[in-house]
Amino acid sequence: DADVTQTPRNRITKTGKRIMLECSQTKGHDRMYWYRQDPGLGLRLIYYSFDVKDINKGEISDGYSVSRQAQAKFSLSLESAIPNQTALYFCATSDWETGDLDNEQFFGPGTRLTVL
Amino acid sequence: AQTVTQSQPEMSVQEAETVTLSCTYDTSESDYYLFWYKQPPSRQMILVIRQEAYKQQNATENRFSVNFQKAAKSFSLKISDSQLGDAAMYFCATGANSKLTFGKGITLSVRP
Repeated sequence: DADVTQTPRNRITKTGKRIMLECSQTKGHDRMYWYRQDPGLGLRLIYYSFDVKDINKGEISDGYSVSRQAQAKFSLSLESAIPNQTALYFCATSDWETGDLDNEQFFGPGTRLTVL
Repeated sequence: AQTVTQSQPEMSVQEAETVTLSCTYDTSESDYYLFWYKQPPSRQMILVIRQEAYKQQNATENRFSVNFQKAAKSFSLKISDSQLGDAAMYFCATGANSKLTFGKGITLSVRP
């Protein structure tokens, strides 16, 4: 079974609709992230969370909100979707150990979102 | 703040040949990591190789190796004996304070 899962894998929605993308992980990691990928722009950080009570805005948080329901679950919401939010969305996780500067992140399979 | 630049949007290599993908970065952090991720058509992000910035020795992972030039802030990926399965988009990234910054990616095609 995959360590990081995302649902749905693909979604088509209409402008103005509210939509939630969900991410679950079985890796036991504290840190979770949401990115969006656009052609020619790479991956950009939307929000990140270092534990259940810690939520931080990333580079492009406008128009998005998140919820960290548990250590293993991190959801991304688009309150009122717009066409320029059409993109590939990735959830990722990472671990942290005292004194360890490792920043490796483990990615889910991605959600392809289309806003019409 | 960190920035990552991948100036070549596309490259092509003949099967069994060697190709080098370029990456430059800028960071104000003294402790950081560097990564190359591969994204095949399945769109899964796969870690190819990682380099600790405090290590002078270049990382290697089977057919993949890096040329890390810290003073020049350069981190290129060399793929030896290219295979058809290496065709993908490759992203260079820097990591500091548990956050990654990605370049725009380069699409690598492999000619049979």
